[in-house]
Amino acid sequence: EDQVTQSPEALRLQEGESSSLNCSYTVSGLRGLFWYRQDPGKGPEFLFTLYSAGEEKEKERLKATLTKKESFLHITAPKPEDSATYLCAAQAYGGATNKLIFGTGTLLAVQP
Amino acid sequence: DTGVSQDPRHKITKRGQNVTFRCDPISEHNRLYWYRQTLGQGPEFLTYFQNEAQLEKSRLLSDRFSAERPKGSFSTLEIQRTEQGDSAMYLCASSLGEWYQETQYFGPGTRLLVL
Repeated sequence: EDQVTQSPEALRLQEGESSSLNCSYTVSGLRGLFWYRQDPGKGPEFLFTLYSAGEEKEKERLKATLTKKESFLHITAPKPEDSATYLCAAQAYGGATNKLIFGTGTLLAVQP
Repeated sequence: DTGVSQDPRHKITKRGQNVTFRCDPISEHNRLYWYRQTLGQGPEFLTYFQNEAQLEKSRLLSDRFSAERPKGSFSTLEIQRTEQGDSAMYLCASSLGEWYQETQYFGPGTRLLVL
């Protein structure tokens, strides 16, 4: 069964303290690996899509990487406004739909 | 604003009542998805439309749930005889499906509380 696991469940960082979030996936043929940011009470906001192992994408203080089994979201010198839940989702080949299979997310809190 | 919109944003209802949610996708997006998210969990897929055709429904979608997308534009999700276990955030996402890539953009969600 297709599955996505994120760790840690929660992470507290001091402003400027870099760290990484992990997303492990097991799918029958990965079509794409997605990262979203979700603020409380709001819908997920798209950040990145990665399609093949070795691919990297960057946006401001965030950098996403992909291997054959997992993806990492690296946060460099975070600021309090980076506090949110970060969701990882896998999209598998096959079937009638390109539905996303989400992990449970990592709740990030950045303290000033 | 040309993003995905959902209405209402919040709904409180009593057990046994029917509720209907609306989703307006990004203009010209041919694919539309409904997901459900409970507290502390990631969104879970419910159903998918390509234009007006409903092509897949999750096992999570019981007979009390029905979704439509008339004319391939907006979509509605109806829950009949609501139960307390239906309390969740209902999210709509749309995309412009291409063979090589597809990014789903989410709306703000409708938060349902069943008393």
